[in-house]
Amino acid sequence: DADVTQTPRNRITKTGKRIMLECSQTKGHDRMYWYRQDPGLGLRLIYYSFDVKDINKGEISDGYSVSRQAQAKFSLSLESAIPNQTALYFCATSDLQGSNTGELFFGEGSRLTVL
Amino acid sequence: GIQVEQSPPDLILQEGANSTLRCNFSDSVNNLQWFHQNPWGQLINLFYIPSGTKQNGRLSATTVATERYSLLYISSSQTTDSGVYFCAVSGNRGSTLGRLYFGRGTQLTVWP
Repeated sequence: DADVTQTPRNRITKTGKRIMLECSQTKGHDRMYWYRQDPGLGLRLIYYSFDVKDINKGEISDGYSVSRQAQAKFSLSLESAIPNQTALYFCATSDLQGSNTGELFFGEGSRLTVL
Repeated sequence: GIQVEQSPPDLILQEGANSTLRCNFSDSVNNLQWFHQNPWGQLINLFYIPSGTKQNGRLSATTVATERYSLLYISSSQTTDSGVYFCAVSGNRGSTLGRLYFGRGTQLTVWP
């Protein structure tokens, strides 16, 4: 089983619908991230959380919200999806505690299409 | 934030050839990682290398933090090396702490 699991892996929805992407991890890491990938643009940070009570905006947070329900769970919501939110979304984790270096580990991605 | 520039943007090689991918960054960093994104979209960690040199099989990487660049070497390319290679860094001060900034990647195509 993957250490960082994203659901759903693929989703097609319509403009205006509310969508939630979920991420869970078994690595025991404190830090969790949501990234968005568009062709030719690399990955851009949407939101990140350094612990359960901490939420921070990234480069492109408009139109998105997040919830850190537990150390192991971090969900991304699109309250009213629009077509330019069509993209590949990645969840990631890292940690600086103990022997951890802050190295980032990614889930397998969630491909979202908004029609 | 930190600007990350990767070159070349595209690279086409014949199987067996060697290549060097470059990553330049605009500020001091405490984390630098190289990733390979395969044709199925999976991001695979290649190296965590904020400084120094590491090798893993046919791949090696060198980061010269004082000069703000990193190099990824691929020797004896195979078709399975095809995909996009990303460099990502995080800074060691202020808002750049703990968040990775990505370059736009190098698209590598290896043909038989």
